[in-house]
Amino acid sequence: GAGVSQSPSNKVTEKGKDVELRCDPISGHTALYWYRQSLGQGLEFLIYFQGNSAPDKSGLPSDRFSAERTGGSVSTLTIQRTQQEDSAVYLCASSRDRNYGYTFGSGTRLTVV
Amino acid sequence: AQSVTQLDSQVPVFEEAPVELRCNYSSSVSVYLFWYVQYPNQGLQLLLKYLSGSTLVKGINGFEAEFNKSQTSFHLRKPSVHISDTAEYFCAVSPVSGNTPLVFGKGTRLSVIA
Repeated sequence: GAGVSQSPSNKVTEKGKDVELRCDPISGHTALYWYRQSLGQGLEFLIYFQGNSAPDKSGLPSDRFSAERTGGSVSTLTIQRTQQEDSAVYLCASSRDRNYGYTFGSGTRLTVV
Repeated sequence: AQSVTQLDSQVPVFEEAPVELRCNYSSSVSVYLFWYVQYPNQGLQLLLKYLSGSTLVKGINGFEAEFNKSQTSFHLRKPSVHISDTAEYFCAVSPVSGNTPLVFGKGTRLSVIA
């Protein structure tokens, strides 16, 4: 596609429920990144994919968070048993080559009530 | 590991005045440097980047930044701002070698006042 697409754009969920956030990167971009943006906290790195493999999962905050990427394209970030502290904007980015920088999606705003 | 410090969380400036947003980084290896802009309810958009060569880098929307290795800085400047420049600005760093994801600063909110 023309840009990085994320869905849903907004998600309100009850505490304890599971949620899935989707990212559709730019066609041909082999690298895909997930970041979390909380108010006043900047961007927190979560996980990175090169193709379908995830060489760097160091940023996942707990074992309730997981992510996968299939076919070198779409990625899903899953949060199990959501907590209020999971409320944030989740941003996905893709890159053809690190030298070109990242192209970001518009994000999914997650609110846990 | 790399880190980024954006010294000002908020910068108010009058329209048509110059602005400088400060960014300092920490790294034991050579780095690439980036500035991104985030408009309300949108994702981040690349403004400019330094990979190598000339230390003065020009980007979109009239912005420029200067890489200063001795001071480990990459400050963003614009000689005359517009209302439409009101946004959040993020500085980011990654090492030249390897595939370490970008590390971002906490952002600077630029507010342009009419």
